[in-house]
Amino acid sequence: EDQVTQSPEALRLQEGESSSLNCSYTVSGLRGLFWYRQDPGKGPEFLFTLYSAGEEKEKERLKATLTKKESFLHITAPKPEDSATYLCAVQTFGNTGKLIFGQGTTLQVKP
Amino acid sequence: GAGVSQSPSNKVTEKGKDVELRCDPISGHTALYWYRQSLGQGLEFLIYFQGNSAPDKSGLPSDRFSAERTGGSVSTLTIQRTQQEDSAVYLCASSLRAGDGEKLFFGSGTQLSVL
Repeated sequence: EDQVTQSPEALRLQEGESSSLNCSYTVSGLRGLFWYRQDPGKGPEFLFTLYSAGEEKEKERLKATLTKKESFLHITAPKPEDSATYLCAVQTFGNTGKLIFGQGTTLQVKP
Repeated sequence: GAGVSQSPSNKVTEKGKDVELRCDPISGHTALYWYRQSLGQGLEFLIYFQGNSAPDKSGLPSDRFSAERTGGSVSTLTIQRTQQEDSAVYLCASSLRAGDGEKLFFGSGTQLSVL
């Protein structure tokens, strides 16, 4: 069964304290791995898509990386506005319309 | 509008009643998706529509759930004879098409509470 697990469930950081969020996946055939950000009361907002092991993408203080078993979302020198829930999702071959989501990591960055 | 619009934003209903949730996708997007987010759970796929193709209904949890998309645009998710376990946030998303790596644009969701 295809599965996505995110850790930790919650993370508290001080402003400027860099860290990483983990997304482990077990799927029959990975077509793409997505990262989304979700603010309270809002729908998820797209951040990145990664397709193959070794790929990296960056956006401001965020960098996403991918291996054959997991993905990391690195947050460098976070700011309070980076506080949100970060969701990881996978798309598998033959299931282009469906994403399998992890449960998310809720990040709180304190000033 | 610029984004995906969902209505109502909140819906409280009594067990056994039917509810309809509406989604207005981004203009020009041919793919439309429904997901459900329960407290403490990840997003759960329900159904998606791609153009005029038959929808993929494989995520609908029971035959009490149905969805339609009229004219390739607005979609309605209907839940019949609601149960307390149906309480969740129902999220709609759209994309240019349903394809590899296609990014989804989500609405803010409908918070459904079944008493």
